[in-house]
Amino acid sequence: GAGVSQSPRYKVAKRGQDVALRCDPISGHVSLFWYQQALGQGPEFLTYFQNEAQLDKSGLPSDRFFAERPEGSVSTLKIQRTQQEDSAVYLCASSLSGSGPTDTQYFGPGTRLTVL
Amino acid sequence: AQSVTQLDSHVSVSEGTPVLLRCNYSSSYSPSLFWYVQHPNKGLQLLLKYTSAATLVKGINGFEAEFKKSETSFHLTKPSAHMSDAAEYFCVVTDRSSGTYKYIFGTGTRLKVLA
Repeated sequence: GAGVSQSPRYKVAKRGQDVALRCDPISGHVSLFWYQQALGQGPEFLTYFQNEAQLDKSGLPSDRFFAERPEGSVSTLKIQRTQQEDSAVYLCASSLSGSGPTDTQYFGPGTRLTVL
Repeated sequence: AQSVTQLDSHVSVSEGTPVLLRCNYSSSYSPSLFWYVQHPNKGLQLLLKYTSAATLVKGINGFEAEFKKSETSFHLTKPSAHMSDAAEYFCVVTDRSSGTYKYIFGTGTRLKVLA
């Protein structure tokens, strides 16, 4: 079956532009996570949705970052007034059930954002 | 909060020789631990996970890991490396400090396999 998909795969933005990154999770998956992976680093948690509810946004680095999942399926991560430090790969992951300690997360290929 | 430390940023092995990728964890309770592999331009793929059942966990592609509480380690091994194993490997622990069971990743180990 289809895995997690993300679009676009690559995005180049000029500093100050707004960007929107899309994630299509595996059908029927309740949980959806966003992570940010800087060059040469491991991914870092940004935010978590259970269905359409955003239950944890403790990892969002600033109020320029906003995420939504209005119908409990597709999610969009929006970054306003992009800065060079926002350059990273943004990963989306989904899991079948609500957040649990042993749940396996399935990752998409990521969106590589470059801010010039 | 939970954390993991991957002790080597780069590991090189010859094809057909054993692989050892080291990971130590810090946890205030019984942890759930994972190993993921990341090939270039591909998504992270689960290799195996430890969930407090058997301490020796077998995964895909011949990989396995042993949970050692006394050493707070969860090292990944494979008896014989294949060229296709060349990739970035991440050790992961789940953390609930903000109310959500989210993944905490190590900084990664890049495995190079020499012909």
